[in-house]
Amino acid sequence: DSGVTQTPKHLITATGQRVTLRCSPRSGDLSVYWYQQSLDQGLQFLIQYYNGEERAKGNILERFSAQQFPDLHSELNLSSLELGDSALYFCASRGGNEQFFGPGTRLTVL
Amino acid sequence: ILNVEQSPQSLHVQEGDSTNFTCSFPSSNFYALHWYRWETAKSPEALFVMTLNGDEKKKGRISATLNTKEGYSYLYIKGSQPEDSATYLCAFSGSARQLTFGSGTQLTVLP
Repeated sequence: DSGVTQTPKHLITATGQRVTLRCSPRSGDLSVYWYQQSLDQGLQFLIQYYNGEERAKGNILERFSAQQFPDLHSELNLSSLELGDSALYFCASRGGNEQFFGPGTRLTVL
Repeated sequence: ILNVEQSPQSLHVQEGDSTNFTCSFPSSNFYALHWYRWETAKSPEALFVMTLNGDEKKKGRISATLNTKEGYSYLYIKGSQPEDSATYLCAFSGSARQLTFGSGTQLTVLP
């Protein structure tokens, strides 16, 4: 158990819908990173937050957004969902040089 | 676009064999190199993070080395066991600290 929690574990929804994925970092970690693992690609960095502020952006679509709240949990919002958004979404929190991954949310868009 | 490459893509070995995988990464703007072990239906588990050229890390039968000047890292598993079967991912971390992952080496250890 990495100490990073993610909910929900599974999510099934339809095209055009909007969903919110939630992540709580390890106690004391200020940085949260979101990654996407889709079928035909490796783990891709989406976005990073540090203590409530966006720090870096990767391959994140405009339909996706994220935020980090004062209690340091983070939410990834995915809207106007398409079939291709079906993937495993991980968040990770950073302690020192290491990143610790949560269990992931598997999103299926039908 | 950062290129992190791992080889081989997959590997089947017999129980007791020793094996190694390679990760190559950009040698510029380097901050750290990470190795993760990823089993199906689980989250990636951190094995090592290395920051200095020449770093060597060891955890039980698994060890890793780092050459930042030429941009490569090796992961070694001594005396492979069936429970070592997993995908081994390496990830490059630059100054912004986000991870750029390779596509992984899928290891299967046959009993």
